[in-house]
Amino acid sequence: QKEVEQNSGPLSVPEGAIASLNCTYSDRGSQSFFWYRQYSGKSPELIMSIYSNGDKEDGRFTAQLNKASQYVSLLIRDSQPSDSATYLCAVNTRGSGGYQKVTFGTGTKLQVIP
Amino acid sequence: GAGVSQTPSNKVTEKGKYVELRCDPISGHTALYWYRQSLGQGPEFLIYFQGTGAADDSGLPNDRFFAVRPEGSVSTLKIQRTERGDSAVYLCASGLAGGPDTQYFGPGTRLTVL
Repeated sequence: QKEVEQNSGPLSVPEGAIASLNCTYSDRGSQSFFWYRQYSGKSPELIMSIYSNGDKEDGRFTAQLNKASQYVSLLIRDSQPSDSATYLCAVNTRGSGGYQKVTFGTGTKLQVIP
Repeated sequence: GAGVSQTPSNKVTEKGKYVELRCDPISGHTALYWYRQSLGQGPEFLIYFQGTGAADDSGLPNDRFFAVRPEGSVSTLKIQRTERGDSAVYLCASGLAGGPDTQYFGPGTRLTVL
């Protein structure tokens, strides 16, 4: 079982719709959860972090966390063509030496159709 | 302020050659991470530095890979006897101590081994 799993997509949504991106993780001890956006040929950019169960909203983005189900999601409201990118879910996991390292999923490619 | 910089942006080499990839982190960031990202995959953790020391090098795939950070700032990832399978984008990220949520990525170095 992969540590962080995402559907690779592509996920296609029409402009203005809600895009829903999902991620599951295997390490029950994980405490921090992140969503990164990565445009083609660019490096990942952190867009959301969430640490507690429930929802966290930032503009058009909402991250949702359910630790009991080991599930984290990202909702993008009023999707725009500029949101078209790969969205990487990342979870902190235990690294050697006791520090928390980040493990990434393979990413979900989102296409927003004008 | 300046972000994370990486040089070169592109490196083409022949199988069996030695390469060095450089990362210049954000000033004041004590944590430095190297990742490798293959096409269609998420970033794969290689090594983490806290200051000058490698706190976790469990992601280095084999002994052909080595990284240093002698003064606690610039880091160099070194790959000996390169193989075609080493072709990928090598990403560096830096952050403040104590939390993976403060990682900021550089633009990456695209390594192609012919």
